[in-house]
Amino acid sequence: NAGVMQNPRHLVRRRGQEARLRCSPMKGHSHVYWYRQLPEEGLKFMVYLQKENIIDESGMPKERFSAEFPKEGPSILRIQQVVRGDSAAYFCASSRKDRDYGYTFGSGTRLTVV
Amino acid sequence: EDQVTQSPEALRLQEGESSSLNCSYTVSGLRGLFWYRQDPGKGPEFLFTLYSAGEEKEKERLKATLTKKESFLHITAPKPEDSATYLCAVQAVNTGFQKLVFGTGTRLLVSP
Repeated sequence: NAGVMQNPRHLVRRRGQEARLRCSPMKGHSHVYWYRQLPEEGLKFMVYLQKENIIDESGMPKERFSAEFPKEGPSILRIQQVVRGDSAAYFCASSRKDRDYGYTFGSGTRLTVV
Repeated sequence: EDQVTQSPEALRLQEGESSSLNCSYTVSGLRGLFWYRQDPGKGPEFLFTLYSAGEEKEKERLKATLTKKESFLHITAPKPEDSATYLCAVQAVNTGFQKLVFGTGTRLLVSP
């Protein structure tokens, strides 16, 4: 019974490149959440998705960031034209249903922009 | 704006030395308060959810309590394997169930 799988674990990008972060939810989970953890800061909500739908993207920066959760395949968080300030740990979590309060988090992707 | 403040930032204990971690919160209607444990290089691991003042939950050496303004995570006779960062988060009634507001955590180190 695999948990929430995120890959890659570590990603290095040069400024201006694109970063794609993938998240496969736990089996049977259809709700996905992305959070970002900046150095010395708490986890910040970014976006909540269900299959083929973005439900709440109020925490996503307006430019360069996008997320999707297609009918088949993992959820993708995409960051275009990365800048140094995007360096952070990005965590995905999943739950079975919308009222399932104790989400399960993945181990995260650590993005470093050089 | 919903806020969570955790104290202390770091805590060093000897094995067997009990203590408490604090989580103060300001939220416009509390739906739930969560405690997570995070080990270095890992994602947060769910520990407890508390919903109303007076509620308590226990798991092994950990006990979480909730009042109207704060929560405590009591650690009884800790062991070195309890060393981790403990995160507190709140979920507000008006911002939806999907959004947790996290504190910056308390880094706990338990020495043998």
